[in-house]
Amino acid sequence: DTGVSQDPRHKITKRGQNVTFRCDPISEHNRLYWYRQTLGQGPEFLTYFQNEAQLEKSRLLSDRFSAERPKGSFSTLEIQRTEQGDSAMYLCASSSADRQYFGPGTRLTVT
Amino acid sequence: DQQVKQNSPSLSVQEGRISILNCDYTNSMFDYFLWYKKYPAEGPTFLISISSIKDKNEDGRFTVFLNKSAKHLSLHIVPSQPGDSAVYFCAASASGNAGNMLTFGGGTRLMVKP
Repeated sequence: DTGVSQDPRHKITKRGQNVTFRCDPISEHNRLYWYRQTLGQGPEFLTYFQNEAQLEKSRLLSDRFSAERPKGSFSTLEIQRTEQGDSAMYLCASSSADRQYFGPGTRLTVT
Repeated sequence: DQQVKQNSPSLSVQEGRISILNCDYTNSMFDYFLWYKKYPAEGPTFLISISSIKDKNEDGRFTVFLNKSAKHLSLHIVPSQPGDSAVYFCAASASGNAGNMLTFGGGTRLMVKP
C-alpha cells in the first residue's frame, strides 16, 4: 500500500492560464474523489468516480473545471482560465468502502 | 448551509490530560461519521469512525461518542500527547449519497502543551 499520491505538490500560475493536476489512488480502490480546501475551512467535495465513470459533481465544479479517470486508475483535474478564487488546496482521496484515504494535496496559487 | 459544524476553532490542553473535540450536524440523513487528523502540508489522515447504529467506538487513546438525538458527536483523546497537536476534522456521510461523499466541518486546531 503506497498510499494516494498527487502531482504536483505545488503550482503557481497566472490568472487565465490552464492547470492540470494528477492523482494516483491506492491501486485496488475503485472509488476516487476530488475535494477542495481553502484556508481555515474543511475540505469541500468536488466530484466522484466509480472506476472510470464520473457519477457525482458538486455545484462548486464550474464549467471551467473538468475531471477524468480514463482507465479507472489515475485521475486528472483540469482548471481552465484560472481565477484568483481558484487558489486552494486540491485533495484527492480513494476508497473501496466507507473510509477514504487522502493524498497530500496540490496547493494552487493563482497570481 | 453548513451541515457539519465544529464550533471551537482551537483547543489547548496540557500533556496527559483529556482532549475533547466537538462536532454538530444538521442533516438527519447522515449515518456514518469520521474524524480525520491533519498536519501542515499533508492530507487528512483517518483517525476513527462510528456508524449511526452505535453510540461509542474506541480505538486505543481515541474514543468517539455519538448522540443522535442531539445530532452531536465528540472525540476524546486520553491521555493527550504533544504529537497529537494537529487540526482535527469531523466528517459525515449518508449511505444514500453517491459514493458516500464526505461533508466536513471547519476543523479544530488542537495544541497539546508539554
